[in-house]
Amino acid sequence: NAGVTQTPKFRVLKTGQSMTLLCAQDMNHEYMYWYRQDPGMGLRLIHYSVGEGTTAKGEVPDGYNVSRLKKQNFLLGLESAAPSQTSVYFCASSSRGFYNEQFFGPGTRLTVL
Amino acid sequence: GQQVMQIPQYQHVQEGEDFTTYCNSSTTLSNIQWYKQRPGGHPVFLIQLVKSGEVKKQKRLTFQFGEAKKNSSLHITATQTTDVGTYFCAGWQGAQKLVFGQGTRLTINP
Repeated sequence: NAGVTQTPKFRVLKTGQSMTLLCAQDMNHEYMYWYRQDPGMGLRLIHYSVGEGTTAKGEVPDGYNVSRLKKQNFLLGLESAAPSQTSVYFCASSSRGFYNEQFFGPGTRLTVL
Repeated sequence: GQQVMQIPQYQHVQEGEDFTTYCNSSTTLSNIQWYKQRPGGHPVFLIQLVKSGEVKKQKRLTFQFGEAKKNSSLHITATQTTDVGTYFCAGWQGAQKLVFGQGTRLTINP
């Protein structure tokens, strides 16, 4: 099993460009999450999904959109990238139920110039 | 909303010394999880504490959950170079969202 995979691993964008980050998991997990990690700020939740076709806002959703068309995939979109979105993005998944451990992908390092 | 504060932000120790990181919440936690992130890596789940006053051990790591369920700690005895990384605590907000502390970055002088 690959677990949680993320595409791409690195990306450099110019301000105003758009892109989509792909997260895929092969553990048949119901819940999926997108976090961003910035120095000294830990992991902050952007959006999450508790099932196919459902999404919800996290702590820092502005400037991002998500979609969960298939259970195994969770996409994070940046419509018009800004330098403030320079960060490392992690996807995570967990099984249905309360308080389960989260499994993280390897991360995407995004730089917006 | 719920906030989870973690201290210290950084800790540098000599190999063989002990290390402790503390986690405090502004609200009572239903449970708390701990994760470790190696340099350049991704967070990996270590443990979950659920009961008030709970203490769990994993080899040289000891995890505690406070009696009031508002604080937690991770103690590493006799650190080794393999312990290098950032340790995060995380508390649940409702049943679907984890709120992470800022993390404690541990570096070790061999």
